[in-house]
Amino acid sequence: QQQVRQSPQSLTVWEGETAILNCSYENSAFDYFPWYQQFPGEGPALLIAIRSVSDKKEDGRFTIFFNKREKKLSLHITDSQPGDSATYFCAASASTGNTGKLIFGLGTTLQVQP
Amino acid sequence: GPKVLQIPSHQIIDMGQMVTLNCDPVSNHLYFYWYKQILGQQMEFLVNFYNGKVMEKSKLFKDQFSVERPDGSYFTLKIQPTALEDSAVYFCASSSEGTLYFGSGTRLTVL
Repeated sequence: QQQVRQSPQSLTVWEGETAILNCSYENSAFDYFPWYQQFPGEGPALLIAIRSVSDKKEDGRFTIFFNKREKKLSLHITDSQPGDSATYFCAASASTGNTGKLIFGLGTTLQVQP
Repeated sequence: GPKVLQIPSHQIIDMGQMVTLNCDPVSNHLYFYWYKQILGQQMEFLVNFYNGKVMEKSKLFKDQFSVERPDGSYFTLKIQPTALEDSAVYFCASSSEGTLYFGSGTRLTVL
C-alpha cells in the first residue's frame, strides 16, 4: 500500500505558468513533509519542507499548501522556468518514535516548455 | 548545501559476486541511510544507522545486505552475494536534525 501518493505522474506547463503538484498521505502520525527535486543522474535535493503545525510554507517561487484534515498537500511553482524541469518527490516522516526514515511518493515529472 | 559523496558512481558485477558501496556522509551528521531507486522511480528505504547500529530496516534489506561505518570512515553497504534484482541506483543519505541530504547515487548493474 502506497503511504504517500502523488499526482499527476507527469505535468507539462509553459514557461511563466504555475505548476501545481499534489501529494496525499495515509498515516496520521506523519508530521514532516519535505519535497525533493531530482534531475536525471543526480540524487534528490531538498527543495522545501513543511511541518504539520503550519498550513503554508513559502520559499521564493516555491510554496507548499498543507491541509491536515484532508491529509493533502501541494507544491506550487510560480513563474515556472525551463530549469525547473525535473522530478519532484513528496516525502513524509513521523517525529514520534522516528528513526529519521522518509517515505517517498512515486514522484511527479515536470516539464517546463520555453 | 551539505555534500554526501558516493563512490563509485557506477559498478558492474556478475551475479553472485560481492559488492561494497561507499558513502562519505556530511562530517557532523550522526544518522545514515541507504535508499534504493529502480528506473528513476520511487525512492525506497532500505536501512538507517546510528551510533554504530542498525536502527531500522525494510523488507528490501535482505539477509545478503549489511552496513557498517568502521571508526568514522565510509558508511558502507555490502551485498553478498548479489542477485539480478539488486540492479538499481543506491542512494546514501545523512542527517543531523531530521533533514536528509542525499548523495548522487551508485548505479549498480548485476549481470
